[in-house]
Amino acid sequence: GAVVSQHPSWVICKSGTSVKIECRSLDFQATTMFWYRQFPKQSLMLMATSNEGSKATYEQGVEKDKFLINHASLTLSTLTVTSAHPEDSSFYICSAIGSVSTDTQYFGPGTRLTVL
Amino acid sequence: SQQGEEDPQALSIQEGENATMNCSYKTSINNLQWYRQNSGRGLVHLILIRSNEREKHSGRLRVTLDTSKKSSSLLITASRAADTASYFCATARLRGGNKLTFGTGTQLKVEL
Repeated sequence: GAVVSQHPSWVICKSGTSVKIECRSLDFQATTMFWYRQFPKQSLMLMATSNEGSKATYEQGVEKDKFLINHASLTLSTLTVTSAHPEDSSFYICSAIGSVSTDTQYFGPGTRLTVL
Repeated sequence: SQQGEEDPQALSIQEGENATMNCSYKTSINNLQWYRQNSGRGLVHLILIRSNEREKHSGRLRVTLDTSKKSSSLLITASRAADTASYFCATARLRGGNKLTFGTGTQLKVEL
């Protein structure tokens, strides 16, 4: 149980294009989802917290117009990187919390974004 | 902002040896969690220890928490080559809701 998937697992795009990453909780309803980014050999940095049906809460320094988050249902959150640039290249990971165990975050496998 | 620091940054041991990783943090916490990440993959939750707990075990894992020193340690006993991965501690701050702040991580390599 508690499986989180991400799609796509990797994506390569040209500078200036937008990329959408999906995060799904497969066997539980996720009241809250989180989006992180991770640079090579570094730790995870929280970008935003997403609650179903409400606006995402962004961490300081994260541009909300650049990283659009939509949490349309209890099993799906999307992150759209708009007008991507090479510096946006990173590993993006989502996590989800269910209603039963609210302390434990279940992580997706991550999406490797490369912007040329 | 990055709160936790882990040491060592990298650790190389032989199979069968024990591996100890340490984590320090700065603010009061609700709980501290340890995660494992294989290269280029997502994170796997290993163990959670609450602020009122001092030690917890799960299989070959032993976690300690010292809130007075704001530190935690993860011990992996009888390590295996399959334990090779990066290990991160993450803290849930007091009154911080469910948000986690991750440490810098320890890269563990277990050699045959």
